Amino acid sequence: SQQGEEDPQALSIQEGENATMNCSYKTSINNLQWYRQNSGRGLVHLILIRSNEREKHSGRLRVTLDTSKKSSSLLITASRAADTASYFCATDAYGGGFKTIFGAGTRLFVKA
Amino acid sequence: SQTIHQWPATLVQPVGSPLSLECTVEGTSNPNLYWYRQAAGRGLQLLFYSVGIGQISSEVPQNLSASRPQDRQFILSSKKLLLSDSGFYLCAWNNRATEAFFGQGTRLTVV
Repeated sequence: SQQGEEDPQALSIQEGENATMNCSYKTSINNLQWYRQNSGRGLVHLILIRSNEREKHSGRLRVTLDTSKKSSSLLITASRAADTASYFCATDAYGGGFKTIFGAGTRLFVKA
Repeated sequence: SQTIHQWPATLVQPVGSPLSLECTVEGTSNPNLYWYRQAAGRGLQLLFYSVGIGQISSEVPQNLSASRPQDRQFILSSKKLLLSDSGFYLCAWNNRATEAFFGQGTRLTVV
């Protein structure tokens, strides 16, 4: 079964608004990562937060991690139409070597 | 710098035909290598991962197999494709506990 589960599954907002996506996972992790995927393309890494970190920023992105609740959130501030994409969280779980497991993703649509 | 090459970008194959998708990585040594499949509008399902030459772990039972004949080469194969094998296949690599880098994907349609 998938390790990470994002919610909401889909999100539609106006340009300029903030978008918040959540991710829950099941097992202990070494780190949690967020990726972006434009339609029909490969995934692009956005940000990685380690298990001993609680918050991390990168430009308009803010990621939080709560290991006690096994959850993370991705906040995109001042969204733009170009932010329209699917966003996935992924966790590194040890299994004979680290393997990265992805959730089902949140489809974000930013209306101009 | 590191790069990952995955080909072909699109592929249409008849049911029962064989499959070979190749992925190669440049600029790094002994990477973890992954094959994922993504159904339309869905998340990524981990199919295989490899931590070294000849070391393959399968995540789900299926009609596919993977091989790693060289350190930076990962191949996804099938002897006889099924309709259900259609999907978007992604190859990725990372080093231990770091972010993953993806190829551009192969859209496979089995007809």
